[in-house]
Order: sequence, then structure tokens, then C-alpha cells
Amino acid sequence: GAVVSQHPSWVICKSGTSVKIECRSLDFQATTMFWYRQFPKQSLMLMATSNEGSKATYEQGVEKDKFLINHASLTLSTLTVTSAHPEDSSFYICSVQRGGVREQYFGPGTRLTVT
Amino acid sequence: KQEVTQIPAALSVPEGENLVLNCSFTDSAIYNLQWFRQDPGKGLTSLLLIQSSQREQTSGRLNASLDKSSGRSTLYIAASQPGDSATYLCAVRRDNQGGKLIFGQGTELSVKP
Repeated sequence: GAVVSQHPSWVICKSGTSVKIECRSLDFQATTMFWYRQFPKQSLMLMATSNEGSKATYEQGVEKDKFLINHASLTLSTLTVTSAHPEDSSFYICSVQRGGVREQYFGPGTRLTVT
Repeated sequence: KQEVTQIPAALSVPEGENLVLNCSFTDSAIYNLQWFRQDPGKGLTSLLLIQSSQREQTSGRLNASLDKSSGRSTLYIAASQPGDSATYLCAVRRDNQGGKLIFGQGTELSVKP
């Protein structure tokens, strides 16, 4: 069964509004979750690392004030795209990391379209 | 800076054929390497994970090898089926801290019946 869920699976919003995407770890507690973005026909690019109980670590070039990440519990991380613009339209995927061998499990993704 | 390259970008084969997908990385100092499958509009499914100390991993018709010193990994798919059609991504992890994965661009595989 699924290890990671995301909600919503797709969302359409108007330019200037904010959108929240949820990522849930279903099988185990995850102290670390990751948020990726994927543009059409391109690979995944890490946006930020979400750590439970502390501030997220953002990759270079990713605006932390625009992409707000909250990892409030060991099973839930949220990504809020604030003041969304059409160029933010993309496929957003989260992953959770299991301890030990550090294998990552990915969610089904959220398709965001900003009109 | 670690860079991951996958060749070919796209591959079309007839059903039943054995095939090899290639992944190369520029920095051999990796912790592990993962192969994923992605169906159109979907998330990633982990296929195989190889630790840096390992040479290969097998799961069913899939076999992944790792040659860390030369910066290469291959994914071998035996007796391909139309259901294997998808994009295959490889990703390397630098160390056992953090968790950042560096992805290749993927190989889009089409298996024709």
C-alpha cells in the first residue's frame, strides 16, 4: 500500500492566491520530509528539506517566503505556495525518508495550475 | 558539484526484449543510488536501492548494478512488457546525513506489444 499521501492531487487557483499542499507519511514517523518540483519533461529538483519541529532548509534559488513549509508533526508536512503566479504551475512531489538505509518514498504528487 | 546523466533519453523496444538503461554520475563519493519508476502524471515508485558498498541489487526482472569508481550504474530489465512503459529515473545520495537526492533527467521507455 501507499507509504506517502498528498492532498490535493490537483488544484487550480487564480494568480495572487495561496495554495496549501499536504504530505502525510502513512507507514512510519518521518522526522525528515522533502519537497520537490518537477516541470514538464524535466527531472525532479529538490526545493527544501522539512524537519519536524524546526525550520525547513531551502535549496539555493528557492524563495522561503514564497514557499512556506510547516512540519508540525512526525507524519505531516505542508507546503504553502503564497501569492501564486502562473510560473509556479508545476508538479509538486514530497518524499519521506526511512531511517537505516535512508531509502526515500515518494508521494503521488500534486499538480498545481495557476491561471 | 554532483551531476547525474541518463542515457538514452528515450527508448522504444518490442515486447520481450531485454534492455539496459544507463546512469552516470560525476562524483563517485556517494552514499547510495536509487532507481525509480514514474508513470505519466504520477509520483515516483522506488525500484531498487544500492548502497555504495554493494555491486548490484535484484528484484524480479530488474537488476541494478553499481560501479562507484567509474561513476556508473545500469538498470537491466529482462523480458520487457508493455506494462514496463514509464520514465525511469536514477538518483544518487551524497552521504547519510540530510538526504538530498540528485536526479538524472530520466529515460522514457516504451515497450511495444
